[in-house]
Order: sequence, then structure tokens, then C-alpha cells
Amino acid sequence: DQQVKQNSPSLSVQEGRISILNCDYTNSMFDYFLWYKKYPAEGPTFLISISSIKDKNEDGRFTVFLNKSAKHLSLHIVPSQPGDSAVYFCAARFGNQFYFGTGTSLTVIP
Amino acid sequence: KAGVTQTPRYLIKTRGQQVTLSCSPISGHRSVSWYQQTPGQGLQFLFEYFSETQRNKGNFPGRFSGRQFSNSRSEMNVSTLELGDSALYLCASSGVLNTEAFFGQGTRLTVV
Repeated sequence: DQQVKQNSPSLSVQEGRISILNCDYTNSMFDYFLWYKKYPAEGPTFLISISSIKDKNEDGRFTVFLNKSAKHLSLHIVPSQPGDSAVYFCAARFGNQFYFGTGTSLTVIP
Repeated sequence: KAGVTQTPRYLIKTRGQQVTLSCSPISGHRSVSWYQQTPGQGLQFLFEYFSETQRNKGNFPGRFSGRQFSNSRSEMNVSTLELGDSALYLCASSGVLNTEAFFGQGTRLTVV
């Protein structure tokens, strides 16, 4: 029972363009959402988060949007850089547990 | 502040054996969670410990077990290893506010 879903396993974007990664969830009780970035052979590292009471949070090139009615979360990266190439996981919190999506592999083409 | 430390980084075991993985959380963090990462499956939640008590458990067979010590360090044990247990096992710790899970670098387990 995957409560957090990332339906696009991979995404390729030209350097300088916008990358949009999407995430859908089913549990309306999730109160906090996060995005993590993961390089091969390393653990995920925190990127950006958003509380369920907000609809947007921005940090430099990264912006997370939350649409609670659609149960949809997205991460925008502008402009995309080759160093952004990694696997991105979205996560949602309920109580003291985090639920992770299956990840989207982003490739930024120079 | 030291990060989450997992040992060993790499491990090769044969089917039927058992394995113990270790995780030292960030100092002051009392919550430790374990995840299994396999290609196409994302991060599958195994269990979470807080103050030496298992608070949450994922949907894994009983061959997967864990424990947490009084210093918050945690161990995960897998008995009777199967080929399908080959994966990256990640440990994460969280602080009081639980607004972020801090991950270790993981232990890459290969079962042959």
C-alpha cells in the first residue's frame, strides 16, 4: 500500500531549464512534506520541506508546491544544473513516521 | 555535530546466514528508523525505535528485527538471508520536532 507515489521513474531536462518533479499521496492526515536528494552509494539528503498549512515554500533554486485538495506535491528546480542529477524522493509525515515515494531519477543534460 | 553513522558500509553474505547492521544516530536524537532501498521500490520502511522501544513497524517478515540501546544506537538483524534481501539499508535519525529525517550513508548488503 504505497501512500506516497512518484509516477515518473525518470526525467531528463536541459541545463538551464526548469525541472518539475511530481508526487501524489493518498493520506489526508499527512501534515508535513519533504523532498530528499540521493546520489548513488550515499544516503538521501534533505532538500526542502513544506507544512500542510502552506501551499508554497521556496529556497534558492528550489520551490515546493503543495495542492492539498489534489493531494499533490511538486518540486521545481530553476535553473537546472548538471549537479542536480540525482534521484529525488518525496516524503510525507504522519505521526512519527515518514513515508517515502519510489523516487524519480533526474538527469540534467549539459 | 557528527552525522548518522552506519557500519559496515558493505557486506556480502550467503543465503541462510544472518547479518547485523549498526546505526549511530546524531547526538541527542532518540528516534531511529530503518529503511530498505531496492531498485524501483523506493525506500521501504522497516521499523522505528524511540527510547529503546519499537514504535512503528513496516510490512516485513519476522526475519527482520531490530533493537535500540540506551545510548540510542540501533541495530538491525536479518536472519536466514534470502537473495531478495540484497539491498541498501538506510538508517535515519530524527530529533524532537521530527521535521526531518537525517540519513546515514547506508549499508549495501549483497546476498549470494
